[in-house]
Amino acid sequence: GQQVMQIPQYQHVQEGEDFTTYCNSSTTLSNIQWYKQRPGGHPVFLIQLVKSGEVKKQKRLTFQFGEAKKNSSLHITATQTTDVGTYFCAVFASGGSYIPTFGRGTSLIVHP
Amino acid sequence: KAGVTQTPRYLIKTRGQQVTLSCSPISGHRSVSWYQQTPGQGLQFLFEYFSETQRNKGNFPGRFSGRQFSNSRSEMNVSTLELGDSALYLCASSLVSAQDGYTFGSGTRLTVV
Repeated sequence: GQQVMQIPQYQHVQEGEDFTTYCNSSTTLSNIQWYKQRPGGHPVFLIQLVKSGEVKKQKRLTFQFGEAKKNSSLHITATQTTDVGTYFCAVFASGGSYIPTFGRGTSLIVHP
Repeated sequence: KAGVTQTPRYLIKTRGQQVTLSCSPISGHRSVSWYQQTPGQGLQFLFEYFSETQRNKGNFPGRFSGRQFSNSRSEMNVSTLELGDSALYLCASSLVSAQDGYTFGSGTRLTVV
């Protein structure tokens, strides 16, 4: 079955530092979605990447899809306490998969 | 617009009992998916309903079932509850499929004692 690994599992940063989480798949993907879940909350859709090498930005967040469509990254510049939460990738296997496999998530802790 | 509404928010049940959870998707969304979230297993897919039909099913035992009504509202049922069923159950609404992106409800926190 689809294997997806997210690293790191946890990341502590000082407010103002940058943060990156990586999502790696064992197979080629058709597309990938990213979600954020605040502590005690529910996952919230952030973005979807579809094209090889695609880069998308949302304010301080930069999302990238690998050239081989097997990995992705989410980078946050100058973290703020509002960035605290768990970031999940959800991957769709190539070949018409309609149900994503979620990574285990990276929990970001920002120290003021 | 209104978000995805899940009821109840919290439930405490005893082993062996059954439980029904409800989800009202965003108006116009026809696909409803259910997920189980636990610290140990993360987000696990239960099933997806579209136009009142189960379109996809995850690897959960038959004790877990669901249905969707003509207004797209969905329910999931867990029979013969086990301690391991304690989890956050999340409903995810999407326009046609997960490819459109999920909008999650706030979830139902089920505790089995």
